[in-house]
Amino acid sequence: NAGVTQTPKFQVLKTGQSMTLQCAQDMNHEYMSWYRQDPGMGLRLIHYSVGAGITDQGEVPNGYNVSRSTTEDFPLRLLSAAPSQTSVYFCASRSTGMGYTFGSGTRLTVV
Amino acid sequence: GQQVMQIPQYQHVQEGEDFTTYCNSSTTLSNIQWYKQRPGGHPVFLIQLVKSGEVKKQKRLTFQFGEAKKNSSLHITATQTTDVGTYFCAGNAGGTSYGKLTFGQGTILTVHP
Repeated sequence: NAGVTQTPKFQVLKTGQSMTLQCAQDMNHEYMSWYRQDPGMGLRLIHYSVGAGITDQGEVPNGYNVSRSTTEDFPLRLLSAAPSQTSVYFCASRSTGMGYTFGSGTRLTVV
Repeated sequence: GQQVMQIPQYQHVQEGEDFTTYCNSSTTLSNIQWYKQRPGGHPVFLIQLVKSGEVKKQKRLTFQFGEAKKNSSLHITATQTTDVGTYFCAGNAGGTSYGKLTFGQGTILTVHP
């Protein structure tokens, strides 16, 4: 099992560019989430999904879109990158009653 | 919305000293989870507490869930340099919000040998 795979690991974007952060899990987990981590602010929930075809907003959803067409994949789209979106992004998945398994993260810089 | 507060933000200890971090939620939780993140790494799940007043132990780590299911604590006995990292609590309100896990800001632990 690969667990939770995030790509890319590093990315530099220019303000206004769009891009998709990829996340895939091979554990058949029903729950998946995207978090961003900034110094001193812990992990803030962007969007989450409780199953294929079902997504919902977290604490900081503005500027991000998600979709969950399959159980395995949960991509995060940045519509028009802004410097405030410079952060480390983590994707995570879990099943009922379990803790989250996190991916290794994507370090995004917007210039 | 649900808020999870964690204190202290930083804790510096000498190796062998004990360490405790506290977590408080603005709402009653269905369950609470604890994670550890090593510097430069990703969060790793430690444990989940579900029952009111529950206490669980993992070697030198003791986890407690409050009677009102609104607070929790993690206590490490006799810290070691391998305990260095950031400890996060994360709360789940359950019900229609079951898929939503809200993290505290974390406590950064440094251990001086």
